[in-house]
Amino acid sequence: DTEVTQTPKHLVMGMTNKKSLKCEQHMGHRAMYWYKQKAKKPPELMFVYSYEKLSINESVPSRFSPECPNSSLLNLHLHALQPEDSALYLCASSPRGNEQFFGPGTRLTVL
Amino acid sequence: LAKTTQPISMDSYEGQEVNITCSHNNIATNDYITWYQQFPSQGPRFIIQGYKTKVTNEVASLFIPADRKSSTLSLPRVSLSDTAVYYCLVGDRGLTGGGNKLTFGTGTQLKVEL
Repeated sequence: DTEVTQTPKHLVMGMTNKKSLKCEQHMGHRAMYWYKQKAKKPPELMFVYSYEKLSINESVPSRFSPECPNSSLLNLHLHALQPEDSALYLCASSPRGNEQFFGPGTRLTVL
Repeated sequence: LAKTTQPISMDSYEGQEVNITCSHNNIATNDYITWYQQFPSQGPRFIIQGYKTKVTNEVASLFIPADRKSSTLSLPRVSLSDTAVYYCLVGDRGLTGGGNKLTFGTGTQLKVEL
């Protein structure tokens, strides 16, 4: 298995909802990442997990809460989001720092 | 992290060779140069990575001059399916597997026409 999977593909949520994004990889990569990408903009790093521990948090608001239950799984818990948080959320994993394998993303719409 | 500068957009025709240049004047000794491709509503895809001189794989070639202050991604005989955004990134390779911080620049929108 040489891919990163993300679920759901699309998510619509209200500002009071709690939802979670899921990312999975079975390539044995020990680093996993969350990115946020707005339309026609480059991906922006949110979080980096290294060996299941959070190693980088790019000053992301607390309404985004990452979790790494095991070496294959990465979650992003969402609560009390704002409409401006609507974006494509990308998960990636890597065996080495610069060669990251990205998933297809979750298209999130906050109403 | 070294900042990169790329053209915002490029146009080409099918069958032509496309060269996209990236400027990275502040590249550090340990930095590698990496290129990603991204199609609309998909995650970026790793294309090629290099440190110096020339690297070639089945998809592209990467040319890096001796001073390493720039690099050129070369796509041979492009097709319509090569229409995408191409990102140049510069950073430490992170061989420890401990994760690394990738900073994407604005990228180059390549449009290939018939």
